[in-house]
Amino acid sequence: QVQLVQSGAEVKKPGASVKVSCKASGYTFTGYYMHWVRQAPGQGLEWMGWINPNSGGTNYAQKFQGWVTMTRDTSISTAYMELSRLRSDDTAVYYCARDSSSGWSPLGYWGQGTLVTVSS
Amino acid sequence: EIVLTQSPGTLSLSPGERATLSCRASQSVSSSYLAWYQQKPGQAPRLLIYGASSRATGIPDRFSGSGSGTDFTLTISRLEPEDFAVYYCQQYGSSPLAFGQGTKVEIK
Repeated sequence: QVQLVQSGAEVKKPGASVKVSCKASGYTFTGYYMHWVRQAPGQGLEWMGWINPNSGGTNYAQKFQGWVTMTRDTSISTAYMELSRLRSDDTAVYYCARDSSSGWSPLGYWGQGTLVTVSS
Repeated sequence: EIVLTQSPGTLSLSPGERATLSCRASQSVSSSYLAWYQQKPGQAPRLLIYGASSRATGIPDRFSGSGSGTDFTLTISRLEPEDFAVYYCQQYGSSPLAFGQGTKVEIK
């Protein structure tokens, strides 16, 4: 069965960076795009971008270009999302989510979420 | 960039009643690449509907989706206690992907 297991909660100071991991199992890691979605407290879902685990190619939402980096390590079936220059309004739960199928596809599998708190 | 607007913001209904949720896109959604998700407190979203009207695996048939172009609807025919949650629409046919702001279905 498909599983996405994310790293634990983080507390960071403003200006710092955070790197969240998402370990995949139960399927061929390189076969499906991995997306990152965040949710601020009490707010809706915000798409951040995706990574193609096969090629390493990325597509970031314009808002996050220049300060998000999505990478992967195919040897351990793990995707990463790094956000730099953190501000208090980056406090949110960050989810990794996998395409249901190849091509244009909804997000059929989700990690459990990682709470990132930015506070001085 | 496609913007999705959901209405109403909150829907107050009783178990057994019918829920109708709306999602309107600022421009036509390519090939009806429109999905609906359910999210309960403290949980990740769960895919309910994709391709505007196809139920995801394991989703009960009281959930149905319809629509095309710019207007889409999620209908829950008879609300069960576990259906009270927040529902999001999402378009995945063009970049950037986008979510609506959500509709909360609460117990009246």
